[in-house]
Amino acid sequence: DTAVSQTPKYLVTQMGNDKSIKCEQNLGHDTMYWYKQDSKKFLKIMFSYNNKELIINETVPNRFSPKSPDKAHLNLHINSLELGDSAVYFCASSLNSYEQYFGPGTRLTVT
Amino acid sequence: GDSVTQMEGPVTLSEEAFLTINCTYTATGYPSLFWYVQYPGEGLQLLLKATKADDKGSNKGFEATYRKETTSFHLEKGSVQVSDSAVYFCALSGAAGNKLTFGGGTRVLVKP
Repeated sequence: DTAVSQTPKYLVTQMGNDKSIKCEQNLGHDTMYWYKQDSKKFLKIMFSYNNKELIINETVPNRFSPKSPDKAHLNLHINSLELGDSAVYFCASSLNSYEQYFGPGTRLTVT
Repeated sequence: GDSVTQMEGPVTLSEEAFLTINCTYTATGYPSLFWYVQYPGEGLQLLLKATKADDKGSNKGFEATYRKETTSFHLEKGSVQVSDSAVYFCALSGAAGNKLTFGGGTRVLVKP
């Protein structure tokens, strides 16, 4: 049973395109997150949703738009992709904002 | 703001050697502290945690003690195996409790 799943695992696209990454958790958690891991493995929070409500938005360009249709899903849509958006994007979830469980990551490559 | 500093790698060890990865933090209030591990090509897995001062987290032979006086949470393992080769991240969850602040990660390579 996959606890936190993401699709796709790999995404290769050209500059200027729009793409989405999907995340689903079956843990019954109430909070979901998006993190970005750069080429040097540095991890940084992007967004957090609690019960479908946005609670953290960490100075991310507005080309990035998260959407949470329900508590179990948090999708990330990226408009007008740039080279600097190339990274691994991790979804995570937690219950009552305690320890977080991570998905396997989506490696985005922008050419 | 909150921050986490951990030793840079890579750390290269022989099997059965002792491993220590230093981690110090800066935070307001009383954060919870975590170690996550990332095996090659995989996502992050929670390795251990501690929620208050003097707590010791332990799992799979790894240990870390929450030291408030030195604002540290150093990771240790007495005898490493090749399968412990991975990147280890120290992290804290601050008073707001809603996000993890990570250190830069430490790559560990264990050779047979």
